[in-house]
Amino acid sequence: EVQLVESGGGLVQPGGSLRLSCAASGFTVSSNYMSWVRQAPGKGLQWVSVIYSGGSTYYADSVKGRFTISRDNSKNTLYLQMNSLRDEDTAVYYCARLRIGNLFDSWGQGTLVTVSS
Amino acid sequence: AIQLTQSPSSLSASVGDRVTITCRASQGISSALAWYQQKPGKAPKLLIYDASSLESGVPSRFSGSGSGTDFTLTISSLQPEDFATYYCQQFNSYWTFGLGTKVEVK
Repeated sequence: EVQLVESGGGLVQPGGSLRLSCAASGFTVSSNYMSWVRQAPGKGLQWVSVIYSGGSTYYADSVKGRFTISRDNSKNTLYLQMNSLRDEDTAVYYCARLRIGNLFDSWGQGTLVTVSS
Repeated sequence: AIQLTQSPSSLSASVGDRVTITCRASQGISSALAWYQQKPGKAPKLLIYDASSLESGVPSRFSGSGSGTDFTLTISSLQPEDFATYYCQQFNSYWTFGLGTKVEVK
């Protein structure tokens, strides 16, 4: 069974940093396209970042230069390093697997990041 | 960036009703569109992909249609478990979502 479990969310001050983790089971992270998607409170879904199976990474313009996606193949875990956090980064962050690089077919339960002073 | 406009933003319906949600893309995306269902406090669930293909395990009362810029999600007979928010998503160029349509109890 495919399972994704996020952790690492919490309260952080503006300008601070946080690292999110997403532990996968039932499939191999490094063989798939993996992504982070976020949802601000009461709002819609926003794609944040992707890492391809080959290692290439891409980011939404709103987080480019501040967030870094990575993976640890030995731990079968996806990460999102978030620096220079802003109020508008407050959201539930989901990790998701991209099937055929197009469809978010498996999601974690989400982890809440709150940026506030 | 490709933008997706969903309408309506919310609707009220009763069990058994036929429900239709539309999604318009800011430029042509062929059939590179998916639909998701999200319930409060839960992650989204994939329903439809490639505009009209039903994801495995999804009830046949859900269907999708369209290509190019105009797409539709239809629930043929609304069930109690279908009250939720629905999002369209394009994968023609990176990935973007519509703002969602909340289906509420009438």
